[in-house]
Amino acid sequence: GNSVTQMEGPVTLSEEAFLTINCTYTATGYPSLFWYVQYPGEGLQLLLKATKADDKGSNKGFEATYRKETTSFHLEKGSVQVSDSAVYFCALGGQTGANNLFFGTGTRLTVIP
Amino acid sequence: DTGVSQNPRHKITKRGQNVTFRCDPISEHNRLYWYRQTLGQGPEFLTYFQNEAQLEKSRLLSDRFSAERPKGSFSTLEIQRTEQGDSAMYLCASSLWADRSEAFFGQGTRLTVV
Repeated sequence: GNSVTQMEGPVTLSEEAFLTINCTYTATGYPSLFWYVQYPGEGLQLLLKATKADDKGSNKGFEATYRKETTSFHLEKGSVQVSDSAVYFCALGGQTGANNLFFGTGTRLTVIP
Repeated sequence: DTGVSQNPRHKITKRGQNVTFRCDPISEHNRLYWYRQTLGQGPEFLTYFQNEAQLEKSRLLSDRFSAERPKGSFSTLEIQRTEQGDSAMYLCASSLWADRSEAFFGQGTRLTVV
């Protein structure tokens, strides 16, 4: 079946530090991969996505590359800011007619000044 | 358009009572999804609609749960005879009917069953 395994948190970093949040997946076929972010008090927002192998999604300085050979979609940012503090969810989709999403458990990131 | 809207934002109910939540999707979106999120977990798919037709339901959606989208616009999720295990955040999302199109989420309804 479909599943997403995400690096457990919480993660605490100093401002301007490098961020990596690991995500690996199990799926048949060729899913689309997503990172969603949930800021305090807000709903889930799409951060970036990739729809096929070797695609790189990027947004707001965050990047993730769809690696079929390692079934991974790790999230990276070169220099985090306090405003990046949030919960990050890796998800896969496009595997059913419903096109519903399968989410990881989320990783809470706190960036301290 | 202000995005996906969910009401109420919070609901506290006594065990055994019925509750109903409402979701207003983005107006041009024909797909509407319901998810449930418990503390420390990612959202889990419950059901989805293509216009007014409910096309898929997860095994998580017990007989006490029913969802409707009568005119293909807003949707309601009703839980009958609530149990403490139903306490969770209920999320609604909508998307266009296009393969792999982005889902936009509402802020959710937090249900607490006491």
